[in-house]
Amino acid sequence: AQKVTQAQTEISVVEKEDVTLDCVYETRDTTYYLFWYKQPPSGELVFLIRRNSFDEQNEISGRYSWNFQKSTSSFNFTITASQVVDSAVYFCALSGPRGTYKYIFGTGTRLKVLA
Amino acid sequence: DVKVTQSSRYLVKRTGEKVFLECVQDMDHENMFWYRQDPGLGLRLIYFSYDVKMKEKGDIPEGYSVSREKKERFSLILESASTNQTSMYLCASSLRQGLQETQYFGPGTRLLVL
Repeated sequence: AQKVTQAQTEISVVEKEDVTLDCVYETRDTTYYLFWYKQPPSGELVFLIRRNSFDEQNEISGRYSWNFQKSTSSFNFTITASQVVDSAVYFCALSGPRGTYKYIFGTGTRLKVLA
Repeated sequence: DVKVTQSSRYLVKRTGEKVFLECVQDMDHENMFWYRQDPGLGLRLIYFSYDVKMKEKGDIPEGYSVSREKKERFSLILESASTNQTSMYLCASSLRQGLQETQYFGPGTRLLVL
């Protein structure tokens, strides 16, 4: 069965600290995609990144970086020098079984960045 | 930019009422989805549609129905609202079939059923 686990329910950091959000997934598919979304208090899920199972290169986008490790089935997200505007709920998702359009979402991690 | 809009940000309805949630996307996407989001449960798929007039059940379709008469519009219907349908409802769309397609989400509708 496919599953996404975000074990951290809530994290609080002080502004300018670095923070890593963990995501562990389970799948039997050899081809799959992983996603991260940000949900600010306004409610809309904002797409951050998509990564396919054949590309294990880490990705950096400004203060955001992602570490994909197939050996540990993890796709972790790090925010460097956090800011108050980073406060949100972050969801990790896994593409569903072949032939479906489903995503499997984790339960989300609420990040609070304190000024 | 992809734009997905939902007809209401907040709704308050009474038990037994028929409720319509509307979603519109402006990027000619084939696929559209309805999720509900509840604390501690993440997002759960209610229904999705891969073409006009086509629909498939997601993980929790009970108590809901959908309608897709036009490509850009996907409606979620609660035939007889119940208090356990109080939730955040999120609509999403994606371009076409395939695991790699990114889903883009609307702003959500917070529904309270009294």
